[in-house]
Amino acid sequence: EPEVTQTPSHQVTQMGQEVILRCVPISNHLYFYWYRQILGQKVEFLVSFYNNEISEKSEIFDDQFSVERPDGSNFTLKIRSTKLEDSAMYFCASSGRALGLFFGSGTQLSVL
Amino acid sequence: AQSVSQHNHHVILSEAASLELGCNYSYGGTVNLFWYVQYPGQHLQLLLKYFSGDPLVKGIKGFEAEFIKSKFSFNLRKPSVQWSDTAEYFCAVPGAGSYQLTFGKGTKLSVIP
Repeated sequence: EPEVTQTPSHQVTQMGQEVILRCVPISNHLYFYWYRQILGQKVEFLVSFYNNEISEKSEIFDDQFSVERPDGSNFTLKIRSTKLEDSAMYFCASSGRALGLFFGSGTQLSVL
Repeated sequence: AQSVSQHNHHVILSEAASLELGCNYSYGGTVNLFWYVQYPGQHLQLLLKYFSGDPLVKGIKGFEAEFIKSKFSFNLRKPSVQWSDTAEYFCAVPGAGSYQLTFGKGTKLSVIP
């Protein structure tokens, strides 16, 4: 069964450092997403990406965040200068035409 | 604005008990509704979704949900829960744009053997 894969599963970084979270969406999907879940809180939408550009983004997705699809398979989330409050589980997701999102297993980001 | 509310924060049931988790939505556009499940230590998985047609939707692992338009509800049900159903359940609706989902706060289900 096709699945969304994310690496690494756990990333530890110092405050102020840049991190890149990587995702390989399902191969025939066209829409890509990043969500995050801070411990004990709800899953929050960050950004959606379609046709090589951002289609929607939330207030959380400020100038510190960027996304890229550098090749035909990877989809990355970059946080330029991490803050303590960026610590969360980050989920990548992809979908075909409709809204049935398929999620990856997540990257747990810990900012120290 | 699109929103979704889940009534129960934590539900504790014994095995074989019946389950109903509430979800109410506020959404002005075409109604698309989703239930996701997150097992301990795992990622979100799609349980079922409603786009149109029969308001009673059957999903994986014996779950079903009924879309009641007049009540703006999409409650998740299972006639007989198992210990392996212990997880957190999230109701979701389309967000402000076309290609994102807004999740409810989740309901944690604990099934006691």
